[in-house]
Amino acid sequence: DAGVTQSPTHLIKTRGQHVTLRCSPISGHKSVSWYQQVLGQGPQFIFQYYEKEERGRGNFPDRFSARQFPNYSSELNVNALLLGDSALYLCASSFSGNEQFFGPGTRLTVL
Amino acid sequence: GQQLNQSPQSMFIQEGEDVSMNCTSSSIFNTWLWYKQDPGEGPVLLIALYKAGELTSNGRLTAQFGITRKDSFLNISASIPSDVGIYFCAGHPRVLMNYGGSQGNLIFGKGTKLSVKP
Repeated sequence: DAGVTQSPTHLIKTRGQHVTLRCSPISGHKSVSWYQQVLGQGPQFIFQYYEKEERGRGNFPDRFSARQFPNYSSELNVNALLLGDSALYLCASSFSGNEQFFGPGTRLTVL
Repeated sequence: GQQLNQSPQSMFIQEGEDVSMNCTSSSIFNTWLWYKQDPGEGPVLLIALYKAGELTSNGRLTAQFGITRKDSFLNISASIPSDVGIYFCAGHPRVLMNYGGSQGNLIFGKGTKLSVKP
């Protein structure tokens, strides 16, 4: 079975732009969580979606939003990009929520 | 907010040595997970722990869920070069859930970087 997939792999944007990141969970997993990982730190929780509904939100501004589609894939949107949004964005899928399996991430650079 | 204190921050290993790292929290956790992350990749799940006192092994890796539910440790026996990387502890804080879904907000430690001794 395929693992969690994310696209794109890398992305370069300028301040003020908008970005959309995509994630496909492991087949059969209905929960998708998004994390932000800045260099030298552990991942920080952004959102969790389960059965297409938001189930949890971390301490991130309203510029960050997400959604989950009927096929359980998910998108993370970030508006009005700031330099500090440069990070590795990770998507994790799970069946029960306890064991989360991560994708390779999308490396976002904001110039 | 809740934080996990992970130590040591970094360590150097020689092939064959045993390695220990631990993670502590100021609050109770329901689940403890240990991940390894290689450069440019996402974290890979190594071990998951669900009960206080639980001791679980995965090959040369052994992890324990502390009795107080506020700590966990990971041991690597007879280290090999491919053990190099960053190890993260992570956990689900204890919260009341009023829906039949899943709890997705993992809290991560800052990581332990394992390097090979020159």
